[in-house]
Amino acid sequence: EAGVTQFPSHSVIEKGQTVTLRCDPISGHDNLYWYRRVMGKEIKFLLHFVKESKQDESGMPNNRFLAERTGGTYSTLKVQPAELEDSGVYFCASSQHGRVSTDTQYFGPGTRLTVL
Amino acid sequence: AQSVSQHNHHVILSEAASLELGCNYSYGGTVNLFWYVQYPGQHLQLLLKYFSGDPLVKGIKGFEAEFIKSKFSFNLRKPSVQWSDTAEYFCAVNARGSGAGSYQLTFGKGTKLSVIP
Repeated sequence: EAGVTQFPSHSVIEKGQTVTLRCDPISGHDNLYWYRRVMGKEIKFLLHFVKESKQDESGMPNNRFLAERTGGTYSTLKVQPAELEDSGVYFCASSQHGRVSTDTQYFGPGTRLTVL
Repeated sequence: AQSVSQHNHHVILSEAASLELGCNYSYGGTVNLFWYVQYPGQHLQLLLKYFSGDPLVKGIKGFEAEFIKSKFSFNLRKPSVQWSDTAEYFCAVNARGSGAGSYQLTFGKGTKLSVIP
């Protein structure tokens, strides 16, 4: 079984540019999460999809961030325009169907975003 | 709001030494507790989790953790570490339940473990 995959693994952009991160969850997982780790800080929750619907987006920093999950499969996270403080590692995770908070979340390798 | 505190930023041990990594959480309700590990160059993976039953939980690779409700703690232990345990360890919690905010994991800042051969 393939794990959670993320693309790209690294992205270096200039302030003001746009970047789109992609996450492919484990096949059949309805729940998809985005997290971010800024250097030196803890991993922080951004948002949670159940299938194609946003269940919880309380962690999204501001309206420069837009997440989508069309068709309930892969998800994209767009940052537009990017600011210096957006640099960090963006993790995606997925968990199985069902509204069960005890389900294990399986993490992808992360996308390291550097904004210059 | 939930918060998680990991007491040690970086721990350095010799092989065969015993390990205990501290984790305390703050939350007013019932929680699920997790320890994740990130080996160098790899993605985060689950070591163990606790949500009910025996407060002493055994995980992969010889790790265990004990939930002490009165202390709001979930410390990770291993009796004898190996060089291959060198990694960053994260304690995390989420709220027990099915409400919209129940699923998000709240992480501690992580503890880097370096094991010297």
